[in-house]
Amino acid sequence: GQQVMQIPQYQHVQEGEDFTTYCNSSTTLSNIQWYKQRPGGHPVFLIQLVKSGEVKKQKRLTFQFGEAKKNSSLHITATQTTDVGTYFCAGQPGAGNMLTFGGGTRLMVKP
Amino acid sequence: GAGVSQSPSNKVTEKGKDVELRCDPISGHTALYWYRQSLGQGLEFLIYFQGNSAPDKSGLPSDRFSAERTGGSVSTLTIQRTQQEDSAVYLCASSPYSGDNQPQHFGDGTRLSIL
Repeated sequence: GQQVMQIPQYQHVQEGEDFTTYCNSSTTLSNIQWYKQRPGGHPVFLIQLVKSGEVKKQKRLTFQFGEAKKNSSLHITATQTTDVGTYFCAGQPGAGNMLTFGGGTRLMVKP
Repeated sequence: GAGVSQSPSNKVTEKGKDVELRCDPISGHTALYWYRQSLGQGLEFLIYFQGNSAPDKSGLPSDRFSAERTGGSVSTLTIQRTQQEDSAVYLCASSPYSGDNQPQHFGDGTRLSIL
């Protein structure tokens, strides 16, 4: 079955440093979604990427979808303590297929 | 309601007891999903419903787990003869339908603790 892997599993950064999490799928995806889960909270949808090579930005967050539509990344510029949480990618192979979530990357930011 | 509602928020029970977890999705959302999240871990897919039918039950860990959805709205996840390894947060999510490109909206989850 489809597998979605995320690295790193954990990341500690100093406030102001950049952060990147990487997502890799064993199969080609029709789209990829990113979610953020704050400590003690539930996952919240951030964004969806559909097109090969697509890049989307949300303020300090930059999301990329690979040319082969099998990998994606989330980059945060100049992290803040409010960025703390676990970031999950979730891939969908095609219409009618289930989203498969990656294991998540837990980001910790030291003030 | 405005979002996905789950109850109870916390449940502590003794090993061997049955538990029932409830999910009330966003009004009008036809797709409903159940996940399990152990402490510090990712999301483990359990089951999803499109309307009242469950096309994919592949994630249910054992025959002690069952779920139903009636009226295309509220869903219940039942765990019979609970075991300590069932302790986790059970998350429910809904989306307008189960097709392509549908973001999922999550509830706050039920934290289940088996003593």
